Amino acid sequence: AQSVTQLGSHVSVSEGALVLLRCNYSSSVPPYLFWYVQYPNQGLQLLLKYTSAATLVKGINGFEAEFKKSETSFHLTKPSAHMSDAAEYFCAVSEGQGAQKLVFGQGTRLTINP
Amino acid sequence: EAGVAQSPRYKIIEKRQSVAFWCNPISGHATLYWYQQILGQGPKLLIQFQNNGVVDDSQLPKDRFSAERLKGVDSTLKIQPAKLEDSAVYLCASSRAGLSSYEQYFGPGTRLTVT
Repeated sequence: AQSVTQLGSHVSVSEGALVLLRCNYSSSVPPYLFWYVQYPNQGLQLLLKYTSAATLVKGINGFEAEFKKSETSFHLTKPSAHMSDAAEYFCAVSEGQGAQKLVFGQGTRLTINP
Repeated sequence: EAGVAQSPRYKIIEKRQSVAFWCNPISGHATLYWYQQILGQGPKLLIQFQNNGVVDDSQLPKDRFSAERLKGVDSTLKIQPAKLEDSAVYLCASSRAGLSSYEQYFGPGTRLTVT
C-alpha cells in the first residue's frame, strides 16, 4: 500500500528565506503526488500535483516541487517565504488513478518569522 | 463556480449521542469523499462514492458510522453513538469522474467535539 512520510511536523523560517518542506513516499506503482495547503478553519487547497509529466512541477503562490524517483521524494520549495504562507501543508499520494483514493502524510506546520 | 458546501461548521455533542453532517459537492462532480482529520494528523479517507454507489468504505467504522448519497448529489455522514475518539474535523471533497481527474476539491469541514 502507498504511504507518505513528511519529515518535520513543524518548520519555522524567516520572512524572505527559502522554504523547504520534505516528503517521501512509498508506492508500488508510478505515483501521482500532491501537495495541499490548509489555512486555519478551512478545507484543503491544492498547491500542485505530479502526474508523470515534467519532474519539476510549479504550483500556485510561487511554490514548486521536484519528483525524484531514485530518492522517492517530492519536496516542496519556495525561494522566498511570505507571512501569508503560514499554514499546514500536506503531501499526498494517490492509490488509484488520477486523484482517486488519496493517502496523506501527517502534515507540516509552517511558521514564518518576521 | 460554487465550492463544496458543508454544514454545520461546528458541533458539540456528548458521548453516546448521534450526529449527522451534510455535504453538497460541486455541481457535476460524480465522485464524493468523506475524510476524518484528527488533530495533528492528515486526513484519512472514510468513504468514497461514485454517483450514489459506494466505491470504498474499507476504513469506515461501520458499527457506528454510516453514509449515504441519495440521487448522486448531496451526502450525509452519521455517527451513532459517538465516542470521545470521534472528535475530529470531517472533510467532504468532490472530484470529476474518470481516470483523468487529478484534483479533489475540499469543503471547509465540520469540527466535531465529543464530550
